[in-house]
Amino acid sequence: EDQVTQSPEALRLQEGESSSLNCSYTVSGLRGLFWYRQDPGKGPEFLFTLYSAGEEKEKERLKATLTKKESFLHITAPKPEDSATYLCAVPLQGAQKLVFGQGTRLTINP
Amino acid sequence: ETGVTQSPTHLIKTRGQQVTLRCSSQSGHNTVSWYQQALGQGPQFIFQYYREEENGRGNFPPRFSGLQFPNYSSELNVNALELDDSALYLCASSSPSGGLTDTQYFGPGTRLTVL
Repeated sequence: EDQVTQSPEALRLQEGESSSLNCSYTVSGLRGLFWYRQDPGKGPEFLFTLYSAGEEKEKERLKATLTKKESFLHITAPKPEDSATYLCAVPLQGAQKLVFGQGTRLTINP
Repeated sequence: ETGVTQSPTHLIKTRGQQVTLRCSSQSGHNTVSWYQQALGQGPQFIFQYYREEENGRGNFPPRFSGLQFPNYSSELNVNALELDDSALYLCASSSPSGGLTDTQYFGPGTRLTVL
């Protein structure tokens, strides 16, 4: 069964304390992996798309990487405004349907 | 460039009623997908519309139905509302990108509460 699992469910860091979020997937024929950021009560905001193992993308304090089994979202020297839920998703059904993990709720304390 | 918009923002209904949610896609996008997000969970795919035709459906009953209009805006209709239908309903738009997986851009969502 195609599955996307994120860990940890919740992560609390101090400002400036770097860490990584994990997204593991069991999908045959991966056609990309997406990372989104979601603030409470709002829609997901697109961050990155990764297409092949070894690919990396960066945006400000965030860097996403992809292997054949999982993706990592590294956050370097985070700030309180980075607090949000981070979602990863993979496309299925001929790329029509995104299957999401349950998200990692990240809290950065000042 | 106008992003994805949804209306209404919040809605309260009672069990058994029917509801219609609306979505306007981002400029230049011809594909709209709908998702249901329960509290603390990731979004679940309901269905997708491409050029006014349903183009894929998730594991949702037929009382969830949709439409897409010639201007690519879309509606999600839910009949016979149940308490478990309480959720954030998200609309996402995308446009074919020539072979690569399309990026879906999400609207702000409609919070539906069923009492």
